Amino acid sequence: GENVEQHPSTLSVQEGDSAVIKCTYSDSASNYFPWYKQELGKRPQLIIDIRSNVGEKKDQRIAVTLNKTAKHFSLHITETQPEDSAVYFCAASPYGQNFVFGPGTRLSVLP
Amino acid sequence: GAVVSQHPSRVICKSGTSVKIECRSLDFQATTMFWYRQFPKQSLMLMATSNEGSKATYEQGVEKDKFLINHASLTLSTLTVTSAHPEDSSFYICSARQGRGNQPQHFGDGTRLSIL
Repeated sequence: GENVEQHPSTLSVQEGDSAVIKCTYSDSASNYFPWYKQELGKRPQLIIDIRSNVGEKKDQRIAVTLNKTAKHFSLHITETQPEDSAVYFCAASPYGQNFVFGPGTRLSVLP
Repeated sequence: GAVVSQHPSRVICKSGTSVKIECRSLDFQATTMFWYRQFPKQSLMLMATSNEGSKATYEQGVEKDKFLINHASLTLSTLTVTSAHPEDSSFYICSARQGRGNQPQHFGDGTRLSIL
């Protein structure tokens, strides 16, 4: 089955700097990769997703890149703000199947 | 759009009690609903997947007689924790997906269950 690793487990950045979180997956059949943001005690919220027919996707300060050959994908947040502080989860999924989530990255944006 | 409502948000009850948690998709029909369990500072662990009108598919190690799942309609799934014990205390979150392809899952607010 699919296995998703995520690094780093914790990340602290200064406000205004960029943050990068990396995930690797094991199942070459996976073709959908969403990213979720979860604030303490709240629901995970989808922030961006990418499908395997695309190498990069951007939405304002957030971007995701995908390297199918290497089986890794990354989340990039630019111009970080304190409200970006949260736990971020990546996930991988073969078509129509369950998500396998990474262990999460706790991002702290320091003012 | 894509709002999922989960109730109750918090339950505190005595050991041996059965607890029912509801998950509703408010503005879309959910072909599939998922139930997760999340321990503090950990990731989301899938417990089971349910499709409307059919039996739930449970992940390895999850007792189907302990965690009863019913997906009676395209907008409602329920999780019943039967005869709950302190080790069942956790954060339970549901999610719902529209369609069967590469679609995002939309999560409920979660239920914090505390068994005394």
